[in-house]
Amino acid sequence: DAGVTQSPTHLIKTRGQQVTLRCSPKSGHDTVSWYQQALGQGPQFIFQYYEEEERQRGNFPDRFSGHQFPNYSSELNVNALLLGDSALYLCASSLLGWETQYFGPGTRLLVL
Amino acid sequence: QKEVEQDPGPLSVPEGAIVSLNCTYSNSAFQYFMWYRQYSRKGPELLMYTYSRGNKEDGRFTAQVDKSSKYISLFIRDSQPSDSATYLCAMKEKKSSGDKLTFGTGTRLAVRP
Repeated sequence: DAGVTQSPTHLIKTRGQQVTLRCSPKSGHDTVSWYQQALGQGPQFIFQYYEEEERQRGNFPDRFSGHQFPNYSSELNVNALLLGDSALYLCASSLLGWETQYFGPGTRLLVL
Repeated sequence: QKEVEQDPGPLSVPEGAIVSLNCTYSNSAFQYFMWYRQYSRKGPELLMYTYSRGNKEDGRFTAQVDKSSKYISLFIRDSQPSDSATYLCAMKEKKSSGDKLTFGTGTRLAVRP
């Protein structure tokens, strides 16, 4: 049973560019959440998608947007990249309303 | 003040020691408590999950919740070098409030052979 997968594993961008990160949830899961983890910090909640709708959002600007597809996979888009967006971006999948979320390996984004 | 506080460590112990990891929180609405283990440059791996109060044991790991003190703990018995990782506590409010997890900063643990 494949767990949560994310692509790409690493990415280097320059300030002002746009980036798209992808996530496939664990088999049987219908809900995808995205987190940002800066170096030496715990993950910070960006938003959650269920039934192709944004269900809950954390304290992140509108530059961060997402999408969920009918097969439950998801994308995270970040526009107008800033140096401070450099971080590990984690995708977590779950069943709606269940307490446990399972994380993927993350995409490491470096903004120069 | 952060909602969840966790000592970043690093914590260094000899192999076989009992390890105690702790988090405090300020949001009394938290009802679900988790511990994740994160190896360097990897995603967090769920270790333990507890609801509201009491103890939960799974092999060498025991999770405790004290809601009156807003304090949770993870104990690792007979620690092994393979336990060397960052341990993250995470918390969630009741189901109707959404599924957002709030994490501590993580405690780095090193188990010396």
